Amino acid sequence: AQSVTQLDSQVPVFEEAPVELRCNYSSSVSVYLFWYVQYPNQGLQLLLKYLSGSTLVKGINGFEAEFNKSQTSFHLRKPSVHISDTAEYFCAVALRNAGKSTFGDGTTLTVKP
Amino acid sequence: GEEVAQTPKHLVRGEGQKAKLYCAPIKGHSYVFWYQQVLKNEFKFLISFQNENVFDETGMPKERFSAKCLPNSPCSLEIQATKLEDSAVYFCASSQDRGLLGGYTFGSGTRLTVV
Repeated sequence: AQSVTQLDSQVPVFEEAPVELRCNYSSSVSVYLFWYVQYPNQGLQLLLKYLSGSTLVKGINGFEAEFNKSQTSFHLRKPSVHISDTAEYFCAVALRNAGKSTFGDGTTLTVKP
Repeated sequence: GEEVAQTPKHLVRGEGQKAKLYCAPIKGHSYVFWYQQVLKNEFKFLISFQNENVFDETGMPKERFSAKCLPNSPCSLEIQATKLEDSAVYFCASSQDRGLLGGYTFGSGTRLTVV
């Protein structure tokens, strides 16, 4: 079975500061990795994904994430956050060709002026 | 369409009543997934479909939950005899492929409140 641990439940940060949201996963087989963002009263929106190849992946809204196989991590980063980045962020893993994903418990990012 | 359409947005049911939720996936997406978000953050996989066929139902509480995806109709998730613990936001997502190469596209959810 797969599991996902998001190491920080809440991350407060000031506007224009850098941010890192941490995600570790556990799986005995190769997986795909995803980050999603959820704004209030909305569904999840895909930020970025790692399928294979380059370990640094770039997504929408200036976010990027780095896959580290040895540390089984997939941390999300942004060099300079905006107020509008305030949202819930979910890390997820999916078995290749299995369809369903396992989600972490989410990290609340609050960007303060 | 280019969005996953879920209806209704809100649903209130008395304990023991039936609840039925609908999901229209993005045109051309063959896979549909249902997730239950209890409390604020916990996502639980319920069931997935490949077109009208059940692909994976390992998350479904089968005694009260059922789901269908029929041709030319929205997919549906039905809960017979709702319980207080069924209160949650139910998300539908669709994807082009089983391997999620493109990730999911989520609907905005149906908030079910059982009173």
